[in-house]
Amino acid sequence: EVQLLESGGGLVQPGGSLRLSCVASGFTFNTYIMSWVRQAPGKGLERVSGISTGSASTYYADSVKGRFTISRDNSKNTLSLQMNSLRADDTAVYYCVRGGTGTPFDLWGLGTLVTVAS
Amino acid sequence: EIVLTQSPGTLCLSPGERATLSCRASQSVSSSYLGWYQHKPGQAPRLLIYGASRRATAIPDRFSGSGSGTDFTLTISRLEPEDFAVYYCQQYGSSPLTFGGGTKVEIK
Repeated sequence: EVQLLESGGGLVQPGGSLRLSCVASGFTFNTYIMSWVRQAPGKGLERVSGISTGSASTYYADSVKGRFTISRDNSKNTLSLQMNSLRADDTAVYYCVRGGTGTPFDLWGLGTLVTVAS
Repeated sequence: EIVLTQSPGTLCLSPGERATLSCRASQSVSSSYLGWYQHKPGQAPRLLIYGASRRATAIPDRFSGSGSGTDFTLTISRLEPEDFAVYYCQQYGSSPLTFGGGTKVEIK
């Protein structure tokens, strides 16, 4: 089955860190640009990060630049998002998504909830 | 950055009615890299339309997309009960990739 499965969300204090993971299955992972998209409570969708097939090119939204790091391990079909210096406004459901510049977001995971609160 | 403005914010319709959703871009969207997504609470968003007018895999033909440049439309010809959801447009041709604010289609 073609799917993306996220893990790693949870409750963290402001200033803390979390690492999100996404395992891909059912397709040739290393041929797709991948992204992380988040949705804060009551808000719309925001692409926070993206990575090219071979990891040579990455993208970060201004809101997370310098705090988040995206990576992928094509040998393990895994996408990751290291989130440091977390703030209350990072609270959101984070989705692992297949797609990026020039390609539609055609496969989404169910999402993992990140809550930043004391 | 290309800003996408969706209208209306909320559309109140009955099953069987036609829904017309608008997405206007602040700049021309390159090569019609415009997509539409359906999002229901607790579920993953689902790609409906890409390339402004191409239906994604397994999307019913009651969903259609049109437009080019800065003005795009998603039409649902006859609303089914499962179509009540939030719909987002997205441009994926120019970084940063951006989404519209969404249109909620709710039952009248």
